[in-house]
Amino acid sequence: AQTVTQSQPEMSVQEAETVTLSCTYDTSESDYYLFWYKQPPSRQMILVIRQEAYKQQNATENRFSVNFQKAAKSFSLKISDSQLGDAAMYFCAYRSGYTGNQFYFGTGTSLTVIP
Amino acid sequence: DTGVSQDPRHKITKRGQNVTFRCDPISEHNRLYWYRQTLGQGPEFLTYFQNEAQLEKSRLLSDRFSAERPKGSFSTLEIQRTEQGDSAMYLCASSPSGRANTGELFFGEGSRLTVL
Repeated sequence: AQTVTQSQPEMSVQEAETVTLSCTYDTSESDYYLFWYKQPPSRQMILVIRQEAYKQQNATENRFSVNFQKAAKSFSLKISDSQLGDAAMYFCAYRSGYTGNQFYFGTGTSLTVIP
Repeated sequence: DTGVSQDPRHKITKRGQNVTFRCDPISEHNRLYWYRQTLGQGPEFLTYFQNEAQLEKSRLLSDRFSAERPKGSFSTLEIQRTEQGDSAMYLCASSPSGRANTGELFFGEGSRLTVL
């Protein structure tokens, strides 16, 4: 089974600063998708950004961007110009491009934004 | 808003009792998933439906757990003879299939179960 590792249980960032959340994964597959989900307190998880493994270009969504290093099996999330509303748990997730029905999630990183 | 809705949001029960959770997915989504999330962990896959067919079940889904999606719309997750280890957040998610599928899961707010 695929594994997803988030080695930073907690991170903090000053408002307006930049923070990077780390994620590594283990797979023998060549076709897969990677995601970052955000889970605010007592709210549902929402997608932040997704990356297809076959795309070399790093995905970007406004202030959120990823650094996808396929050979190193690394998928970090960079949040620029951090805002108070960015405070949440962030989960890295892997989905196979073959079976596609199971998502494998990391244990999450709790992000605190300091005013 | 027609997002994924789950009911109840919180359930406290005594060990040995049965509980049932309901999930209403986004109406045009034919794929429905159940995940379990315990404190300090990411969501773990339990089961997956495409329309009314349950196509995958995790080993985590013991015999005490049963999920249904009888008409391919809402789904129920029942836990019989609850144990304290069943205490968790039960998340439902849905997604479309075919060309509309971007791989994204759309989650509900979850049903939190506490077994005393």
